[in-house]
Amino acid sequence: NAGVTQTPKFQVLKTGQSMTLQCAQDMNHEYMSWYRQDPGMGLRLIHYSVGAGITDQGEVPNGYNVSRSTTEDFPLRLLSAAPSQTSVYFCASGSDEQYFGPGTRLTVT
Amino acid sequence: KQEVTQIPAALSVPEGENLVLNCSFTDSAIYNLQWFRQDPGKGLTSLLLIQSSQREQTSGRLNASLDKSSGRSTLYIAASQPGDSATYLCAVWTSGTYKYIFGTGTRLKVLA
Repeated sequence: NAGVTQTPKFQVLKTGQSMTLQCAQDMNHEYMSWYRQDPGMGLRLIHYSVGAGITDQGEVPNGYNVSRSTTEDFPLRLLSAAPSQTSVYFCASGSDEQYFGPGTRLTVT
Repeated sequence: KQEVTQIPAALSVPEGENLVLNCSFTDSAIYNLQWFRQDPGKGLTSLLLIQSSQREQTSGRLNASLDKSSGRSTLYIAASQPGDSATYLCAVWTSGTYKYIFGTGTRLKVLA
């Protein structure tokens, strides 16, 4: 039982590049979410999903896309990276008790 | 719009002291509230989950209370240890939404 896994752990992008952050869970949770964590600002919700095929926006969705084709996977896509997207990204699953992945530290130069 | 505040932002205490961390929220119509611990460079670990119908939850040396009417939750840590040093975050799920809103956390340092 791996819980919530995220890849990669670290990534450096140049402005304008695109990439996908991967997230997978093996707990059969319907609810999954993506957060970004910035110093002094806590965790802010980017997008969430209440089940396969259903996604919605959180507090800070601009510049990010998501899709949910299976219960297990919830990838986050950065379409055209900007320095303002430098952050630590966390994926979580579960709606009552939330379980978090280890995070992806992203730097955009 | 739900807002979650944690005060103080940082706290330093000597080992063995009992301490209380505070979390306040603006909308009392909550579904549940969760306390997390985050070690530097790591993800979040769930400590305690309080459903809206509950007043408190306990796990070992930790006790979390919830007062919805006043928009407050407290996390009580008994007999603190250096291993308790971490950032503690609370998160609130407001009824009718599908979102957890997080506070900015309290950074705790327990001195040996």
